[in-house]
Amino acid sequence: SAVISQKPSRDICQRGTSLTIQCQVDSQVTMMFWYRQQPGQSLTLIATANQGSEATYESGFVIDKFPISRPNLTFSTLTVSNMSPEDSSIYLCSVPLAGLTDTQYFGPGTRLTVL
Amino acid sequence: RKEVEQDPGPFNVPEGATVAFNCTYSNSASQSFFWYRQDCRKEPKLLMSVYSSGNEDGRFTAQLNRASQYISLLIRDSKLSDSATYLCVVRSRGGGNKLTFGTGTQLKVEL
Repeated sequence: SAVISQKPSRDICQRGTSLTIQCQVDSQVTMMFWYRQQPGQSLTLIATANQGSEATYESGFVIDKFPISRPNLTFSTLTVSNMSPEDSSIYLCSVPLAGLTDTQYFGPGTRLTVL
Repeated sequence: RKEVEQDPGPFNVPEGATVAFNCTYSNSASQSFFWYRQDCRKEPKLLMSVYSSGNEDGRFTAQLNRASQYISLLIRDSKLSDSATYLCVVRSRGGGNKLTFGTGTQLKVEL
């Protein structure tokens, strides 16, 4: 299985600021995914990050709020911009499981609290 | 209606018990099905894929009923370490690798 790390593991931020979350994978992957898990909720896909092209956003998520970078096949960042308390959530990146491309392996997550 | 629905629980069962979770999905074009396990404050981890023929992995058995759009997970001889939230996950045809998650069913196994 892939080894995925995320930074930071947690943060507490002030309203109106932005936070960039990093996701590093120990192998090259074509697609990386960013999810949000709000308190008491399940995971919701924010966007798919493809290397060499713009990210594909799901309904309800926009690039201005959640800009994504994918500079190479092992790394991606998600920025949560102009944060409000409603953005308090766990943010997780994931990659397809080797040999099982129809499902995914998740990073440890970034726990964000916005005051 | 949610795309993937689960009973949130919690299911409180004694150690050694057999427990079953159910999940329904609304998109008939759904193609792949999975059960994930999520421990408190941890990331989800794949427990098992679910196939039409049913599949078993040790104490865990998963079943898929495409006609009823229904997925189940059976855990036999529950252990304390089985306590977690179990997420039903569906991938739809043509959805790329997009996965849709249920809200999860919480299981608490007690002495």
